[in-house]
Amino acid sequence: GAVVSQHPSRVICKSGTSVKIECRSLDFQATTMFWYRQFPKQSLMLMATSNEGSKATYEQGVEKDKFLINHASLTLSTLTVTSAHPEDSSFYICRAGGEAFFGQGTRLTVV
Amino acid sequence: AQSVTQLGSHVSVSEGALVLLRCNYSSSVPPYLFWYVQYPNQGLQLLLKYTSAATLVKGINGFEAEFKKSETSFHLTKPSAHMSDAAEYFCAVSDSPGGYQKVTFGTGTKLQVIP
Repeated sequence: GAVVSQHPSRVICKSGTSVKIECRSLDFQATTMFWYRQFPKQSLMLMATSNEGSKATYEQGVEKDKFLINHASLTLSTLTVTSAHPEDSSFYICRAGGEAFFGQGTRLTVV
Repeated sequence: AQSVTQLGSHVSVSEGALVLLRCNYSSSVPPYLFWYVQYPNQGLQLLLKYTSAATLVKGINGFEAEFKKSETSFHLTKPSAHMSDAAEYFCAVSDSPGGYQKVTFGTGTKLQVIP
């Protein structure tokens, strides 16, 4: 079946640095990918919709300059958390294409 | 706008007992509804989906859900709980059957299975 690979699964970074998270569709092409953020013991909040070859569409309240999304190919979307701060610590999950295809998630901890 | 409301953030059942997780939806268009399971520090796994073909939907791991338009509900059930069912469950809604559009999630219900 279709597989979505998200990397890294865990990352710890220092405050002020940037972190890149990759989301790959391994055996299918995804013109659209979605990035979610999940706070502890809470639901998934849609951050942005990533479209191959065009700018991402961000949800209201999500800082575009803080969370940079690039979807340069049909199999790869990246989320870069710039100048990370402790409040950016969270679980980030990508979804590619259909409703069943989620990445494994990335636990980001900013210290 | 579409939304789902999950009643009960925590549900505890004994092993072998019926599992019932509640979800009500709000949608101005015919909804497409989903149930997902999430284990700690993992992504989401689709259990089942409703796309208007049949009101009773059977999914993986023995779960099923019934779409009731009159009650705007899509509750998840399993006749007999297993220890391995302990996880977080999310109800979700979309306005497209394939979920290529936005999927909006409920707040989740944590299922505890007591031996």
